Amino acid sequence: RKEVEQDPGPFNVPEGATVAFNCTYSNSASQSFFWYRQDCRKEPKLLMSVYSSGNEDGRFTAQLNRASQYISLLIRDSKLSDSATYLCAVNLLTDSWGKFQFGAGTQVVVTP
Amino acid sequence: GAVVSQHPSRVICKSGTSVKIECRSLDFQATTMFWYRQFPKQSLMLMATSNEGSKATYEQGVEKDKFLINHASLTLSTLTVTSAHPEDSSFYICSASPASGNNEQFFGPGTRLTVL
Repeated sequence: RKEVEQDPGPFNVPEGATVAFNCTYSNSASQSFFWYRQDCRKEPKLLMSVYSSGNEDGRFTAQLNRASQYISLLIRDSKLSDSATYLCAVNLLTDSWGKFQFGAGTQVVVTP
Repeated sequence: GAVVSQHPSRVICKSGTSVKIECRSLDFQATTMFWYRQFPKQSLMLMATSNEGSKATYEQGVEKDKFLINHASLTLSTLTVTSAHPEDSSFYICSASPASGNNEQFFGPGTRLTVL
């Protein structure tokens, strides 16, 4: 079983609609969580950190469910520019280096 | 967010040659940088953790003699792919975490290596 799993998609979303997807992690000791956005042939860019209380940044809302060991990302009022692959990252913080485990990504395609 | 640069952005080389990739943190100091490799349609795979002033820590299955890492200063880490072969062709990306942050990692723009 992979340490961090994501539905690869693609999620085909009409412009203006809402889309949500999850990322599950296997290590209960995981301590910090992030969502990244990666465009084709580009580097990942930090979208948002995921806090225990959940957090919102504009049209994006991230949630953490420690009991079920998953994080979620919800995108409201989808824009064409939201089309990308969304990677979740989990940090164990078991050492001072803070290594990340990445999911394989969820592809989102927003259509006109 | 913090800025990380990477050079070169693209390199094409012949089989058997060595390629050096530089990763720099531009507006913060990074005692630790990370090197990843990503094949098409696959996830980022951590290759090694680069530590300033000490030896890098390599992930299982990554040959330390093939992928030489030098973290010479608090803002620069280099990855050298030695005796490159076509199967080393990939997208190599570095990342770093500012000490003052929440452990988030910021990525360089990546280096696309093609070995002929």
